[in-house]
Amino acid sequence: GENVEQHPSTLSVQEGDSAVIKCTYSDSASNYFPWYKQELGKGPQLIIDIRSNVGEKKDQRIAVTLNKTAKHFSLHITETQPEDSAVYFCAASMTGTASKLTFGTGTRLQVTL
Amino acid sequence: GAGVSQSPSNKVTEKGKDVELRCDPISGHTALYWYRQSLGQGLEFLIYFQGNSAPDKSGLPSDRFSAERTGGSVSTLTIQRTQQEDSAVYLCASSTGLSSNSPLHFGNGTRLTVT
Repeated sequence: GENVEQHPSTLSVQEGDSAVIKCTYSDSASNYFPWYKQELGKGPQLIIDIRSNVGEKKDQRIAVTLNKTAKHFSLHITETQPEDSAVYFCAASMTGTASKLTFGTGTRLQVTL
Repeated sequence: GAGVSQSPSNKVTEKGKDVELRCDPISGHTALYWYRQSLGQGLEFLIYFQGNSAPDKSGLPSDRFSAERTGGSVSTLTIQRTQQEDSAVYLCASSTGLSSNSPLHFGNGTRLTVT
């Protein structure tokens, strides 16, 4: 089955700096890659996703890139703010939908003042 | 509008007891999912429903785990003869369907502690 690895497990950046989280996946058939943000005591919330026919997608301060050849995808957050502090999860699916996602182990992002 | 609602938010039970976790999806969402999140780990897929049917039960960790959904709405996840390794946060999510543009909406989870 699919295996998703995520790095780093923790990341601390100063407010205003950029943060990058990287994930690799094992199954070349995977074609849908969402990113979720989880705040303490809450369920994960989708922040951005990308499909295998696209190399990059951007939404304001958040961008995701996908390299299908290397089987890795990354989340980029620019101009970080304290409210960006949370745990971020990447995921991959072979169905093209969110019906059966394999998640990474998460990255705890801390944005310091 | 109302999001995915899970109850109870916290559950402490003794080893060997049965527990039932409940999920109320967003109204009109036909797809419903259960995930398990162990401390410091990612989310582990358990099962999903399309309507009342569960096409994929492969994620259920053992035959002590079962889930049902009735009326295309509320779902319950039942764990029989709980073990300490069952301690985790159980997350439910729903979506409008299985199409490619249907993101998951998660509830806040049920934190299960087996003593």
